[in-house]
Amino acid sequence: QLQLQESGSGLVKPSQTLSLTCVVSGDSLTSTGYSWSWIRQPPGNGLEWIGYIYHTGSTNYNPSLKTRVTISVDRTKNQFSLKLNSMTAADTAVYYCAREVRGPDAFDIWGQGTLVTVSS
Amino acid sequence: DIQMTQSPSSLSASVGDRVSITCRASQSISTYLNWYQQRPGSAPKLLISSSSTLQSGVPSRFTGSGSGTDFTLTISSLQPEDFGSYYCQQGSSTPWTFGQGTQVEMK
Repeated sequence: QLQLQESGSGLVKPSQTLSLTCVVSGDSLTSTGYSWSWIRQPPGNGLEWIGYIYHTGSTNYNPSLKTRVTISVDRTKNQFSLKLNSMTAADTAVYYCAREVRGPDAFDIWGQGTLVTVSS
Repeated sequence: DIQMTQSPSSLSASVGDRVSITCRASQSISTYLNWYQQRPGSAPKLLISSSSTLQSGVPSRFTGSGSGTDFTLTISSLQPEDFGSYYCQQGSSTPWTFGQGTQVEMK
């Protein structure tokens, strides 16, 4: 059974860089037909897609965050990572990693989410 | 970006009620529309993909319909475990976007 688990810094100072990792267990992230996404949700608000990566390393980012985002993959560790620089209070959110099924482009497996707070 | 608008933003209903939530896209997305349920403190759960394809393990009281710009999620008989928030999401073109959510509360 595929599971995703986020880890990383829960408290980030303004202007600094957020680093999160999503470990994939129960299957390989090189399986065909899937991409691997980051999605965030500010407290009490809706969902925002940040971007995805294929196991090949090809990426697609939300233009609203494109200048600040880097998503990378480590196939040897079966994990993918998110870096978001120049953090502000507006970036405070629960960050989820998720598997995306190509075709319907639906997120069928989600991590539990990790709260990231931007504060000095 | 394709804007997704859900209505209503919230609703109050009783166990056994029939509930419908609508989602409208700012342009045609064919049937590239997915629905999620989110309970407080939990990650979203995929209920329906491609407008009407029920995910494995999701009760048959959930149905999805629509194409183009207008979509509906219907719960035929609301159960206690169905209370929470529901989101639509378009998978037609990136950036993938979500509706603002509909909160289903107990009357």
